[in-house]
Amino acid sequence: EIVLTQSPDTLSLSPGERATLSCRASQSFSSTFLAWFQQKPGQAPRLLIYAASSRATGIPDRFSGSGSGTDFTLTISSLEPEDFAVYYCQQYGSSPYTFGQGTKLEIK
Amino acid sequence: EVQLLESGGGLVQPGGSLKLSCAASGFTFSVYAMNWVRQAPGKGLEWVSIMSGSGGSIYYADSVKGRFTISRDNSKNTLYLQMNSLSAEDTAVYYCAKDRIGGGVHNAFDFWGQGTKVTVSS
Repeated sequence: EIVLTQSPDTLSLSPGERATLSCRASQSFSSTFLAWFQQKPGQAPRLLIYAASSRATGIPDRFSGSGSGTDFTLTISSLEPEDFAVYYCQQYGSSPYTFGQGTKLEIK
Repeated sequence: EVQLLESGGGLVQPGGSLKLSCAASGFTFSVYAMNWVRQAPGKGLEWVSIMSGSGGSIYYADSVKGRFTISRDNSKNTLYLQMNSLSAEDTAVYYCAKDRIGGGVHNAFDFWGQGTKVTVSS
């Protein structure tokens, strides 16, 4: 099983700042199979990024993904008020599919 | 417009059973693999199971293997999750989620339902 560890657990930033979220895997896998999700309270997760760096339909270009092997990053270039939420990475290349524990992005 | 609507959640006693449904619309259901993902109260996301469009590929998380069974009825555009031998650790909101690309598995989940709540308690 591929274990995904996200850091930090909580990130406190202000609107307009840049956010960098990390996702580290316990073993290397193809970046083709790495996704990022955003989840707000009481809502279902929303797909932001797939294949490590491809934005899903309708996702603003302030969201970008990068990485390969065991280290992946989600970057939000300039935070908007609606970006404060919990973010999860996920690998879907091998069963069991696994999620990271999440990073809570909160307003400073 | 893609829509996924889960139902069937509720309160069940430990050791009991429950069957969840996910009614899909807005896409060619039979082409796409479908997933179940759950989220315990205040916790993160846990993938539960996937079934390919044809039903030929099925995978489960170790935590549910042997207790849960995923199935689908492509004539009714509906995904199911039969849950047996339930315990408190199965208490969660259960989401169904659609694969982004049709024709196989190992794809990102591009649409999610709003979830159905399952509570296992005496």
